[in-house]
This record gives sequence, C-alpha cells and structure tokens, in this order.
Amino acid sequence: AAGVIQSPRHLIKEKRETATLKCYPIPRHDTVYWYQQGPGQDPQFLISFYEKMQSDKGSIPDRFSAQQFSDYHSELNMSSLELGDSALYFCASSIRLNEQYFGPGTRLTVT
Amino acid sequence: AQSVTQPDIHITVSEGASLELRCNYSYGATPYLFWYVQSPGQGLQLLLKYFSGDTLVQGIKGFEAEFKRSQSSFNLRKPSVHWSDAAEYFCAVGDGGGADGLTFGKGTHLIIQP
Repeated sequence: AAGVIQSPRHLIKEKRETATLKCYPIPRHDTVYWYQQGPGQDPQFLISFYEKMQSDKGSIPDRFSAQQFSDYHSELNMSSLELGDSALYFCASSIRLNEQYFGPGTRLTVT
Repeated sequence: AQSVTQPDIHITVSEGASLELRCNYSYGATPYLFWYVQSPGQGLQLLLKYFSGDTLVQGIKGFEAEFKRSQSSFNLRKPSVHWSDAAEYFCAVGDGGGADGLTFGKGTHLIIQP
C-alpha cells in the first residue's frame, strides 16, 4: 500500500540558513499534518491543512511556514535556522476525521 | 487542553510474557485515542485506534487496547511479546472534530529480555 512520502530524508543546514521539507500524502488523503520530534521526545504538532487551507496550528515558530498545494502535497519552510531546530520532522496524512498515517520523517541537523 | 500521561518511561518484559502499557488521558469530551509504535529513527506506525463503540479494540501485530472512560485510560496489551516488539510506544489523543493535531504522551520504551 502507498505510504506518506517525505523528502529529503536527511538534511544538514547551517545556522541562519533556510530549509524546505516536502510531504506527499497517501493518495486520496486530503489532510496533511506536520510534527517535530526532538531527540528522546514525543512528537509535537506544528500545523495542519485540510483541502489546502490551514486547519489547526500548534507550536509552530514564527520562522516556520507551510502550505498545501493543489495536488495535496505540502511543504514546510523553515528560515533563520537555529541549533534547536535539529529534530525529526514528520508529515502525516489522513482522510479528514480519520486516523493519521505518518511518513518516515526528515532528519534535520543544524550545525 | 488535552493531555496524555504514560506513567512508565521504560518497561522490561521477557519474551513470551504478557504486556500492558498504561495510558491516561485528559480530555473534556469523548476522545479519539491512538497507540503508535516507533522503532529507532523510524516513523510512527499506527497500532490501533478508538473512536467509539466497542471499548475493546483490536490492532495489528496482536495488540489490543481497552478504553475505560471511568478511569480515563486506554491501556495497550499483548498476551505474548516477541523480541521484534522492542520499540517506543506512544499513546495519543485527538478530538476528531477536524484536521486537528494529535497530542502525544512522552512514550514508553519497551525492552524485551530473551
């Protein structure tokens, strides 16, 4: 069965640089979620989109923005990167009101 | 605000023994409850979910969980664990009312002894 695709899988950036993470949801899923998981931590919800509109907002820093495109893929844009942004970033998708399926994650390292 | 508590940070179980991982939630209405499993450096795999109806839900890999409203609990069980079950287990709650993010517990690290 098709799963959530995230790219890149690994990313190394320097402080103050920008990064763009991409997420391709499971076919026919209309909702995308972004989570951040620090080392040894639980996933923290950042933001979600339903039918290309922002639906819910969690603890997303102002330096981050995201959007969902007409083909339902989503991008998380991160600017002015800080060392503390180093984490696993997960995308999940769902058909609204149903369970979320997670992608393999993008490991971001900020040096 | 909703919250999830997983009281056990680590649990060690012998292979073949039974398992119960505890999860307590705080939520004002009927919650949507989930258990996810994560192997090191990997994504989260959904084990099972509770939305409504039968309070005992069956999941993948032989796992089950029971929703107890009176105790605000959603404990995960497996009658006989396998070495491959060693992983991090997360309980999560959502309101199910829309595209809202999940709130996760801190996780329980399961160690399997041979």
